[in-house]
Amino acid sequence: GAGVSQSPSNKVTEKGKDVELRCDPISGHTALYWYRQSLGQGLEFLIYFQGNSAPDKSGLPSDRFSAERTGGSVSTLTIQRTQQEDSAVYLCASSTSGTVREQYFGPGTRLTVT
Amino acid sequence: GIQVEQSPPDLILQEGANSTLRCNFSDSVNNLQWFHQNPWGQLINLFYIPSGTKQNGRLSATTVATERYSLLYISSSQTTDSGVYFCAVETGGFKTIFGAGTRLFVKA
Repeated sequence: GAGVSQSPSNKVTEKGKDVELRCDPISGHTALYWYRQSLGQGLEFLIYFQGNSAPDKSGLPSDRFSAERTGGSVSTLTIQRTQQEDSAVYLCASSTSGTVREQYFGPGTRLTVT
Repeated sequence: GIQVEQSPPDLILQEGANSTLRCNFSDSVNNLQWFHQNPWGQLINLFYIPSGTKQNGRLSATTVATERYSLLYISSSQTTDSGVYFCAVETGGFKTIFGAGTRLFVKA
């Protein structure tokens, strides 16, 4: 079946603009995760959604970052008033919500803020 | 919060050699996964292994949850094994913390 998809694959934006990144999880996966990976670094947890529960936003770096998940499927990560330090690859993953929660990753969106 | 440490940070192998990568974590975890990030940036699932031992071809992994570590074994390494290997642990709820990774380069 189809894996996790993300769009756009690349995004170049000017400092101060808002951007929206999209994630389509694997069908039937009720948990969805967003991560950020800066160049040459590990993955930084941003937020996760699990079913209809309130999302865990504890990893969002500032109030310029927000995310929503509509209809329990597609998710959008929004960065307002982008800064150069927001430049990174943004990765999305999904999993089931049972005891075995194996995460599957999308290809990522490379964001460059000029 | 929980700390996840991977070692070694960098590893260079001659093709055909074996290696062991280690992941230590500072608190009990619900789940643990190993991933390979290929040179194109895609994260590939290797093992979902909160405890016990699993094998998949030339790769195997062991997690000793009571001692808070996991090991990834690569045997008969190939150039296609190059990339970064990440250990990721799930703490309370679904929050997942990644280690800094082991960067592996396999020489032909």
